[in-house]
Amino acid sequence: DAKTTQPPSMDCAEGRAANLPCNHSTISGNEYVYWYRQIHSQGPQYIIHGLKNNETNEMASLIITEDRKSSTLILPHATLRDTAVYYCIVRERRNTDKLIFGTGTRLQVFP
Amino acid sequence: EPEVTQTPSHQVTQMGQEVILRCVPISNHLYFYWYRQILGQKVEFLVSFYNNEISEKSEIFDDQFSVERPDGSNFTLKIRSTKLEDSAMYFCASSNRVGGNQPQHFGDGTRLSIL
Repeated sequence: DAKTTQPPSMDCAEGRAANLPCNHSTISGNEYVYWYRQIHSQGPQYIIHGLKNNETNEMASLIITEDRKSSTLILPHATLRDTAVYYCIVRERRNTDKLIFGTGTRLQVFP
Repeated sequence: EPEVTQTPSHQVTQMGQEVILRCVPISNHLYFYWYRQILGQKVEFLVSFYNNEISEKSEIFDDQFSVERPDGSNFTLKIRSTKLEDSAMYFCASSNRVGGNQPQHFGDGTRLSIL
């Protein structure tokens, strides 16, 4: 089962920042936090990942709390094309292959 | 940007028939995966593959399923004796290393419809 808890849905106005929370209170020291999204029935799209430091790339920022029990994905200027299901996944640092997807957060960006 | 490509985008097959789903992973990637998503349900891991052998598989991946890397570019999923419940989106993914610090990159999937 997924080790994360996310709200089932969120709304965001176009042009505003979308802040998607994720709770992973049972995360262990060797586990990374990954974010993917799925637009309609397309394949999951990798967004960003981190271990304990905050991370930023061209798509988003990832803020991980100091105790690592929760994180927030930030889309700084949401567009209509960011409407998707966003998945927060914890993944072990050792040699394990699989990603375990939960039900994610359905983000609706409105004009 | 390099991407994972999957063919066909939609496959319709009669129950009991065999089907082969094809994937071309990102060219310098060495680790390959199949996932599936039944309509309205979660994305589920099926199998991972490295160095021409299965490295991990889920309970779903039983004797009905097999994977192969027949040449240097393709990665295939074969489903024998298809059943109605095999209808789903099948996603291929690849990564250049295994482990928590290496993202898997997904294709856009094959929609498999069993009639």
